[in-house]
Amino acid sequence: EAGVTQSPTHLIKTRGQQATLRCSPISGHTSVYWYQQALGLGLQFLLWYDEGEERNRGNFPPRFSGRQFPNYSSELNVNALELEDSALYLCASSQSTDTQYFGPGTRLTVL
Amino acid sequence: GENVEQHPSTLSVQEGDSAVIKCTYSDSASNYFPWYKQELGKRPQLIIDIRSNVGEKKDQRIAVTLNKTAKHFSLHITETQPEDSAVYFCAAHGGSYIPTFGRGTSLIVHP
Repeated sequence: EAGVTQSPTHLIKTRGQQATLRCSPISGHTSVYWYQQALGLGLQFLLWYDEGEERNRGNFPPRFSGRQFPNYSSELNVNALELEDSALYLCASSQSTDTQYFGPGTRLTVL
Repeated sequence: GENVEQHPSTLSVQEGDSAVIKCTYSDSASNYFPWYKQELGKRPQLIIDIRSNVGEKKDQRIAVTLNKTAKHFSLHITETQPEDSAVYFCAAHGGSYIPTFGRGTSLIVHP
């Protein structure tokens, strides 16, 4: 069984640009969660999608947005990038509301 | 919302010793408590989990205990090995279906 996949592995942008990160969940999983992992801050919840709908979002500004497609894959968009957006962005998928399986992450660097 | 405190932030042990990591949570509605291991440059991986109707769960050298009254749960690793060196995260899943993660414990096992 294939695990959660994310692309790209690394992404380098400059301040003010937009970034798009992608996630494919485990087959059969309908929920996708996005997290930001900045150095020393653990995992901060960003967004939760289930069955194509945004179910909840964390304490992040509106320039962090996303969507979930009919095949349950998901996209995270970050507009007007700031230096402090540099972090590892992790996606996780779940078949229910508990056990989550993480992807390898996308390392976003904002210069 | 839920608040999860994790201690210690760093734990250094000799190979063969035991290691204990503790987490406390605030939301009495939390009912699922997973533990993740994240090796350097890799994704968090679920190593053990416990639900609120169980007090203890064991899987080989790893065990988790839960005290619902005191709202704390702990990860116990016995006979530690160098390959156990990693960052360990606890999480609590509450009524919002969004997990709250602890800040992580960096475990270093010296050969």
